[in-house]
Amino acid sequence: EDKVVQSPLSLVVHEGDTVTLNCSYEVTNFRSLLWYKQEKKAPTFLFMLTSSGIEKKSGRLSSILDKKELFSILNITATQTGDSAVYLCARRGFGNEKLTFGTGTRLTIIP
Amino acid sequence: EAQVTQNPRYLITVTGKKLTVTCSQNMNHEYMSWYRQDPGLGLRQIYYSMNVEVTDKGDVPEGYKVSRKEKRNFPLILESPSPNQTSLYFCASSLSRGARGVTGEAFFGQGTRLTVV
Repeated sequence: EDKVVQSPLSLVVHEGDTVTLNCSYEVTNFRSLLWYKQEKKAPTFLFMLTSSGIEKKSGRLSSILDKKELFSILNITATQTGDSAVYLCARRGFGNEKLTFGTGTRLTIIP
Repeated sequence: EAQVTQNPRYLITVTGKKLTVTCSQNMNHEYMSWYRQDPGLGLRQIYYSMNVEVTDKGDVPEGYKVSRKEKRNFPLILESPSPNQTSLYFCASSLSRGARGVTGEAFFGQGTRLTVV
């Protein structure tokens, strides 16, 4: 089935903690896996992953894709209140190039 | 500045009154799409367009129409809106390289919050 499942649904941590957000999927053949951050309105791009096992990093954020086990994780270290948002994972398929989104993980950082 | 522009940002309308939500991008992207976002359901694709005059249905196309007469514009048309189309709508565009498909991330517009009463 063409599903993308994110866990946990919601996470509340203290500033400075490290968090790991999970994204699992069921389709083995796809073009790319993307992570977005959604604060008030439009999702903003974080990472695009196409190869298994290669970590992508941007400051305190990093992400990796495991094509064998069909999942991706997004790590955020030394969290800050500005990291509070909904984090979305999406898989882009071949052909129609559609993005199939998970329902997101709502992350709340307490000062 | 590279951007996707949607208008209007907020709209309250009555059942049955035709409306159009405009979307324009300035990045010369071939691939454009419309999504709706609903609580508990996430973002779902309504329609997409691979290029000018090439459009196709996404997962939830019922009650919507689109057109792609120019590369930069991809309007979403609700011919007869109903309350179940109350939602947050996003337009997105991506770079596509022919047979290689979409090679970049999707850029999203700021969203249109539509309420149909």
